[in-house]
Amino acid sequence: GENVEQHPSTLSVQEGDSAVIKCTYSDSASNYFPWYKQELGKRPQLIIDIRSNVGEKKDQRIAVTLNKTAKHFSLHITETQPEDSAVYFCAVTSYGNNRLAFGKGNQVVVIP
Amino acid sequence: DAGITQSPRHKVTETGTPVTLRCHQTENHRYMYWYRQDPGHGLRLIHYSYGVKDTDKGEVSDGYSVSRSKTEDFLLTLESATSSQTSVYFCATGSGGEREKLFFGSGTQLSVL
Repeated sequence: GENVEQHPSTLSVQEGDSAVIKCTYSDSASNYFPWYKQELGKRPQLIIDIRSNVGEKKDQRIAVTLNKTAKHFSLHITETQPEDSAVYFCAVTSYGNNRLAFGKGNQVVVIP
Repeated sequence: DAGITQSPRHKVTETGTPVTLRCHQTENHRYMYWYRQDPGHGLRLIHYSYGVKDTDKGEVSDGYSVSRSKTEDFLLTLESATSSQTSVYFCATGSGGEREKLFFGSGTQLSVL
């Protein structure tokens, strides 16, 4: 099955700095790449996604970039704030596949 | 968020007892999923459904069964609970048009003693 890995497992950043989380995948047929955010004790929620025909997508302070050749995509958070502290999960799927394969998550800690 | 309700929110049970978790959605989403979340393992798919009475196994389906008799309800059953099934269980749904975009319920904390 699809192998999805996230690095680093834990990332600490000073408030106001940028954070970057990388996700690698194994299936070259993958064509949809979302990021989910899970705050402590809460449900995972979709924050941004990208499809294989796009290289970058932005939404306010967050962005996702995709490198299909290298089979990795990254979540970028700029001007980090304490409310950005959470676990972030990447996931992948391919056309016609009914399921997402999730990574194990990255813990992001924003230090005030 | 899609209207997804999981019940119960918390449950403590004993090894060997049957347990059923319920997921109810009000968004008429075609796809429904059961995941378990454990430290160090992220979200792992147990079973999913792509329509009424249409279900399939995920990556960690052993010891679990599911049923979907109505669009809005997806049940997860542990026939004989084991301590290794202590976990947080999340239900998720996906619409037909953008089924990859998942909406998650609030989760059920299950403890098997």
